[in-house]
Amino acid sequence: DTEVTQTPKHLVMGMTNKKSLKCEQHMGHRAMYWYKQKAKKPPELMFVYSYEKLSINESVPSRFSPECPNSSLLNLHLHALQPEDSALYLCASSLDGGSNQQARTEAFFGQGTRLTVV
Amino acid sequence: SQQGEEDPQALSIQEGENATMNCSYKTSINNLQWYRQNSGRGLVHLILIRSNEREKHSGRLRVTLDTSKKSSSLLITASRAADTASYFCATDRFSSGSARQLTFGSGTQLTVLP
Repeated sequence: DTEVTQTPKHLVMGMTNKKSLKCEQHMGHRAMYWYKQKAKKPPELMFVYSYEKLSINESVPSRFSPECPNSSLLNLHLHALQPEDSALYLCASSLDGGSNQQARTEAFFGQGTRLTVV
Repeated sequence: SQQGEEDPQALSIQEGENATMNCSYKTSINNLQWYRQNSGRGLVHLILIRSNEREKHSGRLRVTLDTSKKSSSLLITASRAADTASYFCATDRFSSGSARQLTFGSGTQLTVLP
């Protein structure tokens, strides 16, 4: 199984809603990532989990809240979003995420959740 | 923050021609990776080159890395219409201690005309 599965594929939510994006991988990868991508732009890193611990938070607003319940699952909880948060949200995983310079950091991406905030 | 810049931003070629994309970056890296993205979908890893390597091949792909110039290039030979996609370089570096960070360049939109 070399897949990263994201659900839902599409999500439309109001600014007062609470929703969650889910990501799952069964490749035994120990690093998982959330990226945000606007149209015609590169993915921007939001969060990195390494060995189930949050290791990077790229100054993301608190209305985005990540959670890593176990090594296979990654969630992104959304609350009180703004229309400018509409984007493609990508989850990725890699085998390693640690300090070994030879670590395997090739990322496997899910197909993304297309989020529209109305 | 944006680590890499790519050029050209857009490239249009005929099927069978070669396509070359360039990437420049700013800080020291562990490795540099290239990814492909079809419109609105997830990214697919193409090739990784480590900081102590200068050139790497994989099928029709050839990647070079010049750490003194902080630049890399991706060459796709004998292009096909199915190669039409956005191509991103990504730099792998340490961030905040031992955490690894993969940061993407601005991307090149490649169109291969049949």
